[in-house]
Order: sequence, then structure tokens, then C-alpha cells
Amino acid sequence: GAGVSQTPSNKVTEKGKYVELRCDPISGHTALYWYRQSLGQGPEFLIYFQGTGAADDSGLPNDRFFAVRPEGSVSTLKIQRTERGDSAVYLCASSLNGRGGNEQFFGPGTRLTVL
Amino acid sequence: GDSVTQMEGPVTLSEEAFLTINCTYTATGYPSLFWYVQYPGEGLQLLLKATKADDKGSNKGFEATYRKETTSFHLEKGSVQVSDSAVYFCALRASGGSNYKLTFGKGTLLTVNP
Repeated sequence: GAGVSQTPSNKVTEKGKYVELRCDPISGHTALYWYRQSLGQGPEFLIYFQGTGAADDSGLPNDRFFAVRPEGSVSTLKIQRTERGDSAVYLCASSLNGRGGNEQFFGPGTRLTVL
Repeated sequence: GDSVTQMEGPVTLSEEAFLTINCTYTATGYPSLFWYVQYPGEGLQLLLKATKADDKGSNKGFEATYRKETTSFHLEKGSVQVSDSAVYFCALRASGGSNYKLTFGKGTLLTVNP
């Protein structure tokens, strides 16, 4: 079956603009995660959804970042007033549910460049 | 908080050489430990895992043993191939309430030359 997909694969924007990054999880997976991978670093946790609700958004760096998952499937990560420091690869992952024993499957990522 | 420290790269080896990538962790309780691999142009894939002390994870000729006494989970392979060239990430998942969240090391780039 299809894996996790993310669009766009690349996004270039100017400082101060608004961007939306989309994630399509594996069908039937109720848990969805966003991570951010800056250059030379490992992925860092941003937010975890169980169903439609954000169960843990403690990794969002500030209030310019927001994510939704209105129907419990597709999720959108929204970044307002982008800054050059937001440039990174944004990874989405999904798992069957949020229980620790379930493997997280990662998408290919969206590379965001803020000029 | 939880953290993972792994050997800095890049690592360059010849085909059939022995590989070790060191990984140590800091966490409370009994985390689960993972190695993920990212091949060029692809997403992160789980390579192997271990969920309790002294467990050995293995896959595709790679092995790692969960050593609680040294808080380590070193990745090894006896004979690397060119196709093993990739970035390798060590990661942990905490036990307890936040057991959905993965904490990653910085990654180690491995290049295997023919």
C-alpha cells in the first residue's frame, strides 16, 4: 500500500510569508507526528496527533507554528511570518496508534527554504 | 531531558570493511532504542530496534545490542557494501507517558567505496 506522502517536496518562500505543508498518512493510521530536521541535525519532535486532536504540541517552537488534522487523516503544518531560521526539512510520520510499540513510518519530507 | 549522542561522521569505508557507529543515550526509566537509515533521496526507514536491556536488534546484516550498564546501542556490520551508503540515526523512545515521541541523534553519514 501507499506510504506516507508529503507535499510539496520543496518549498521556497520569502521571509515573512505564510506557508502550509501537507501530510497524507498511511490509511488507517490514527497517530500522526511532525518532526523538523535542520541541517546537520537529527529530526526533532514538533507535534503528535491522536485522531483529530493534538495530544502533544510541546515541540512547536513558538506560536507562529500551528498544525491541524480536522478529519483525523490529512494534516497541515502552518507557519506564519516565516523566518530564515525556519529553513529545514519537515518530516511527517504516522503509526497505527500512539501506543509506544507501534512503528512510526516516515514520509520523504518537505524541504522548506526561507530566503 | 532525554538525549542521544552518536558518533560524528562522516565515516568512509571500503567494501567488506567492518562498521561500528557508536551511540549512547540519556533517559530515565527503560527506553526503547532504534536505528533508522536514510538512503539518498528517500525517507527515514526503521533499520532495527531493541525494547529492553540485553536485547539484540538485527536486520540486513546490521546488529545492535541494548546495553543498559553503559547506556549504549552501537551499530555494527561485519562486511559493508556500497549499497549501505546512507545516513544512520540512533533514536530512543521514552518509557512512560511520552512513549510516542522519538528522540534522535544527529546522524552519521556512511560512505562505502568499491
